[in-house]
Amino acid sequence: QSALTQPASLSGSPGQSITISCTGNSSDLGASGSVSWYQHHPGRAPKLLIYNVISRPSGVSHRFSGSKSGNTASLTISGLQTEDEADYYCSSYSRGNTLDNIFFGGGTKVTVL
Amino acid sequence: QVQLVQSGTEVKKPGASVRVSCLFSGSIFPGSYIYWLRQAPGQGLEWMGWINPNDGGTQYKEIFQGRVTLTRDMSITTAYMEVSSLKSDDTAMYFCAEGPYYMDVWGQGTTVIVSS
Repeated sequence: QSALTQPASLSGSPGQSITISCTGNSSDLGASGSVSWYQHHPGRAPKLLIYNVISRPSGVSHRFSGSKSGNTASLTISGLQTEDEADYYCSSYSRGNTLDNIFFGGGTKVTVL
Repeated sequence: QVQLVQSGTEVKKPGASVRVSCLFSGSIFPGSYIYWLRQAPGQGLEWMGWINPNDGGTQYKEIFQGRVTLTRDMSITTAYMEVSSLKSDDTAMYFCAEGPYYMDVWGQGTTVIVSS
């Protein structure tokens, strides 16, 4: 049972935009400025797409963008391409005085029709 | 940029221990950590703990405390994750990853199979 809730699957046609939601609560995602998103093609290492809610590492396509409102973060993929077919995970990082907590969503399988 | 290379597939019996290594090359900046995560078959990613390669400090997800041990050997720039008292539901792909407070660079993953 994941602490963060994502839709299990989403699909779209090439060129379309899709948005993956990630919902937590006020003590995890809502309180965290450290929200990140990862792309995972099965059998390969996951790849960081977004960190600090909206920042993109160098080399990541501008077609990927992140946002957050309240207890929900979102990843938007614009101009969907066949290579975007993968699993996507959100994560929030809460640094406590004595204990950190890193939460992941259950993952969203994106299918390009 | 840091690169991470993990050790190969492990097959263990229930009750045994397993140690997975993660060789890191390149500079790890102060404030970056080596994270360990796992993905069980058909499941999502789960964080297990982190180790600060510079001072050896560790932190574990509560459910893994006492059963998972993270160490590192800076002379060979390798991090280790040991899981003891293995159970069948520890069967998973285990990943190491590096970053400040997100996982920037990932290892290729190590399959651990626990079966009698």
